[in-house]
Amino acid sequence: LAKTTQPISMDSYEGQEVNITCSHNNIATNDYITWYQQFPSQGPRFIIQGYKTKVTNEVASLFIPADRKSSTLSLPRVSLSDTAVYYCLVGPRFSGGYNKLIFGAGTRLAVHP
Amino acid sequence: DARVTQTPRHKVTEMGQEVTMRCQPILGHNTVFWYRQTMMQGLELLAYFRNRAPLDDSGMPKDRFSAEMPDATLATLKIQPSEPRDSAVYFCASGLFNTGQPQHFGDGTRLSIL
Repeated sequence: LAKTTQPISMDSYEGQEVNITCSHNNIATNDYITWYQQFPSQGPRFIIQGYKTKVTNEVASLFIPADRKSSTLSLPRVSLSDTAVYYCLVGPRFSGGYNKLIFGAGTRLAVHP
Repeated sequence: DARVTQTPRHKVTEMGQEVTMRCQPILGHNTVFWYRQTMMQGLELLAYFRNRAPLDDSGMPKDRFSAEMPDATLATLKIQPSEPRDSAVYFCASGLFNTGQPQHFGDGTRLSIL
């Protein structure tokens, strides 16, 4: 499974757009990119998943360049409640028969008033 | 919203005691995962099941940990005997095999072994 690298921490202010970039140089052809969010005392929560180009849902956007060696999670107009740890994961969507997830250290996002 | 339910949410016990953590996966999900989260190691996969059969428990210390699914609505993770180094938050997640749909996590059991 591809190793990912993302910043350990980021700071932002309410109302700003936050972009968290993840590097995955060894991503395989059948790998998808998935982002999870984790609040204190809660389990990780799925945010978004994509394979290439751009994916958008009600929570975030995911930008994936053509070479797929990196991806950027974009959170529009963050609020204090977006303070959390964000994990980038890559792996086969159908993962050889199972959906095994390997979590890295994540990015700790702090949103300030 | 359907949710993965874990009990207990918190457990404090003394070294050497048996600990049992329970997980109720989302109804209809056929894969169940157990993870452990610590400050030092982050989130680690311990074991997972598909259709109640264990598929991979290579992340689990075999001598003291055991994971089972007595039925489709209950997964258990047991530690016997427990040690202080087992102190962590244990998460259960469930999903649908081979659909590409994301795993859904419970809110964990925070375990403290004194």
